[in-house]
Amino acid sequence: EAQVTQNPRYLITVTGKKLTVTCSQNMNHEYMSWYRQDPGLGLRQIYYSMNVEVTDKGDVPEGYKVSRKEKRNFPLILESPSPNQTSLYFCASSLIPPILAGANVLTFGAGSRLTVL
Amino acid sequence: QKEVEQNSGPLSVPEGAIASLNCTYSDRGSQSFFWYRQYSGKSPELIMFIYSNGDKEDGRFTAQLNKASQYVSLLIRDSQPSDSATYLCAVNAGTGGFKTIFGAGTRLFVKA
Repeated sequence: EAQVTQNPRYLITVTGKKLTVTCSQNMNHEYMSWYRQDPGLGLRQIYYSMNVEVTDKGDVPEGYKVSRKEKRNFPLILESPSPNQTSLYFCASSLIPPILAGANVLTFGAGSRLTVL
Repeated sequence: QKEVEQNSGPLSVPEGAIASLNCTYSDRGSQSFFWYRQYSGKSPELIMFIYSNGDKEDGRFTAQLNKASQYVSLLIRDSQPSDSATYLCAVNAGTGGFKTIFGAGTRLFVKA
């Protein structure tokens, strides 16, 4: 089954304790991205990656790191989590269309709910 | 000004009616436009995408794009209670067009 898998689905941690949220896709997609979703603010892009070793900042990258060493994996790293990073996180992936006006349709993972105390 | 704006709702329509959801965007260079549906506690899923001016129909759903007015809409005909969800408008922006910007979403309730 074609899917994006995130782990963990739920996590409660404390301020300053490094954590990693993993994301893996089995669709051979070039493009992968992380979003956070907060009430009233919608989905905000944290980082995205166009391919292996190619990453770029989204709108809210502060406090997060990513890496893309393999095409299928795109982990999100919180080096020193803070309470304002409490949120629902989504990983998504897509093919990159061959033309600029094409559409990169995102497939989302099930989400990871993170609470930082 | 937010890059992608939607009325947060809630929008309430009776079963069988047409639901009209609207979205405006600020980046005139945007090329691709999307509507995603998100049920409570679930992840977003694509309903439709559009990148040419005009209408695009898929079953009960019609997306409308007007690039001159920077306006995208989604019409849901014969609305069903199962259509009750949050509808997210998204736009590709940035260099290369692969930075996807989402609106905050419109909550739709379809009353049986």
